[in-house]
Amino acid sequence: QKEVEQNSGPLSVPEGAIASLNCTYSDRGSQSFFWYRQYSGKSPELIMFIYSNGDKEDGRFTAQLNKASQYVSLLIRDSQPSDSATYLCAVIGPNYGGSQGNLIFGKGTKLSVKP
Amino acid sequence: GAVVSQHPSWVICKSGTSVKIECRSLDFQATTMFWYRQFPKQSLMLMATSNEGSKATYEQGVEKDKFLINHASLTLSTLTVTSAHPEDSSFYICSAAWTSNQPQHFGDGTRLSIL
Repeated sequence: QKEVEQNSGPLSVPEGAIASLNCTYSDRGSQSFFWYRQYSGKSPELIMFIYSNGDKEDGRFTAQLNKASQYVSLLIRDSQPSDSATYLCAVIGPNYGGSQGNLIFGKGTKLSVKP
Repeated sequence: GAVVSQHPSWVICKSGTSVKIECRSLDFQATTMFWYRQFPKQSLMLMATSNEGSKATYEQGVEKDKFLINHASLTLSTLTVTSAHPEDSSFYICSAAWTSNQPQHFGDGTRLSIL
């Protein structure tokens, strides 16, 4: 069974700190990697996507991908209380699920940013 | 960013009723749309994938005769929950992607409550 693993948390950080969220995936052939943010009772919102090894930065967010280690992370700089949410790691790969292009989600990490 | 509209946002109805949920991509053409279900405090579960103009691909355990999916155009997919029962009560969320490997953008979800 192909899997995407995340620590469920909760991860608690003080306001202004860097929050580091981690994700591992089991299928080495995975090609596309996504981070979504989901507030309680709401649908997921795309934060970042990354396809190549290395870092990708967008404002306060940095996604890091290491395909050799099958590891993807999301860093949130200058964390704000409004960043408090569940962060979902998602992966697309040819060997996941029954359909091409399926997003396989981790169970999410709950982040709490304390004022 | 890409906008996906989902309607209605909340439905409460009697057992045995059929409910139709619409998902529209407002500013891009979505060759692929996805339907998910999320029970409280659980992760998103993919129900089916639909490609414009062809039959939907259902995930294992999802009854295709109960959850009817139509993707008649590049901007509209519908999910009909036929003869809904209380156990079908859940948060149903659609997503749309330009192609199967591109980021998925989610609608706001439909909260379905069957009495």
